[in-house]
Amino acid sequence: DGGITQSPKYLFRKEGQNVTLSCEQNLNHDAMYWYRQDPGQGLRLIYYSQIVNDFQKGDIAEGYSVSREKKESFPLTVTSAQKNPTAFYLCASSIYPRQGGKDEQYFGPGTRLTVT
Amino acid sequence: GNSVTQMEGPVTLSEEAFLTINCTYTATGYPSLFWYVQYPGEGLQLLLKATKADDKGSNKGFEATYRKETTSFHLEKGSVQVSDSAVYFCALSDWYSSASKIIFGSGTRLSIRP
Repeated sequence: DGGITQSPKYLFRKEGQNVTLSCEQNLNHDAMYWYRQDPGQGLRLIYYSQIVNDFQKGDIAEGYSVSREKKESFPLTVTSAQKNPTAFYLCASSIYPRQGGKDEQYFGPGTRLTVT
Repeated sequence: GNSVTQMEGPVTLSEEAFLTINCTYTATGYPSLFWYVQYPGEGLQLLLKATKADDKGSNKGFEATYRKETTSFHLEKGSVQVSDSAVYFCALSDWYSSASKIIFGSGTRLSIRP
């Protein structure tokens, strides 16, 4: 079955440590995205990548970093510079974005990160 | 810029009641419109979509019509079930800075009583 996997489902870290969240897709999608969701709120875009070896900052990129070395993978690192890292993190993908793109995104199951 | 506004929740209904969740949007051009659903502790699932004016998206008894004249995409279901309890997000496709993105509303939590 094609889909997006995120691991682990729950992650616990001490304050001051960097942590990397995994996102893998086998949908052959070109574009991938990272969102953050806080309790009772909508989704905020952290980073996105439209092709391999290229990525752009979203609305709340400070304190986060990404890489896109392979089409299937888009890991997110939450650095110690992120002031409020505890949140639910969602990865998504979509087909190659075309001019005037109107395509939906497909989401993984999410990783809940708790930093104490 | 483009934006989505949806009714605030929580919305609580009895089983078999009629559901409407309002959604309006602001956009330049002709975006696609989506409804996503999120069950507790899970990611988002695409529920339905519409790509042009007057299109009706439908799935699992839910439906929504792309109304350009009122810039709306309200979600409806004739008879809800307990299993429909979830958070529903209205969203639109966006294209700027040579990138394709999706703008999400803030979500509406729906609870169905048996």
